[in-house]
Amino acid sequence: EVQLVESGGGLVQPGGSLRLSCSASGLTFSSTVMHWVRLAPGKGLECLSAITSDAEGGSTHYADSVKGRFTISRDNSKNTLYLQMSSLGTEDTAIYYCVNRGSTGWYDHWGPGTLVTVSS
Amino acid sequence: EIVLTQSPATLSLSPGEGATLSCRASQSVDRYLAWYQQKPGQAPRLLIYDATNRATGIPARFSGSGSGTDFTLTISSLEPEDFAVYYCQQRSIWPRTFGPGTKVDIK
Repeated sequence: EVQLVESGGGLVQPGGSLRLSCSASGLTFSSTVMHWVRLAPGKGLECLSAITSDAEGGSTHYADSVKGRFTISRDNSKNTLYLQMSSLGTEDTAIYYCVNRGSTGWYDHWGPGTLVTVSS
Repeated sequence: EIVLTQSPATLSLSPGEGATLSCRASQSVDRYLAWYQQKPGQAPRLLIYDATNRATGIPARFSGSGSGTDFTLTISSLEPEDFAVYYCQQRSIWPRTFGPGTKVDIK
């Protein structure tokens, strides 16, 4: 069974930084494409970033809203996905989900999410 | 960026009734469209992918149709556990985008 568990969320001041982690099990992590998606209060879901497998070059992709501020990375030896977030604003307050792009090509598996609150 | 529009924003229905949810894309996404269900406090769950295919474990009362720019999610007969928010998503072009959601609530 695939399990994804996010951690690292919390309260941060505007302009601050935070690193989210996602621990994965039940899948061949190094071979899978991983994404970060968020759900902001009163808003819909937003796909933020993706990283391909090493075999696919480990390329990264970002939504315009986070480009230059967020960095996605992976440590295959630890089966862990990361999202380094900087220059955070109140608009970044959201639940952040780690997502696996499964065999369907879609978001087959989701973590429970971790809450990030940006506030002074 | 491809913009997805969902209608209606809210659908108030009773258990046993059928539901029809719409999703329209700002440009063609071919059949690269999926539907997700999200309940309060839970992560979204994949229901339908590639416009018409049910994901693993999804009941047959859920069906999807459409291609190009217009898509529909149909729930043939609502069960109590189906009252939730439904999102469509495209993966034709990065960034993958979601619609704003349709909330199906109990009348």
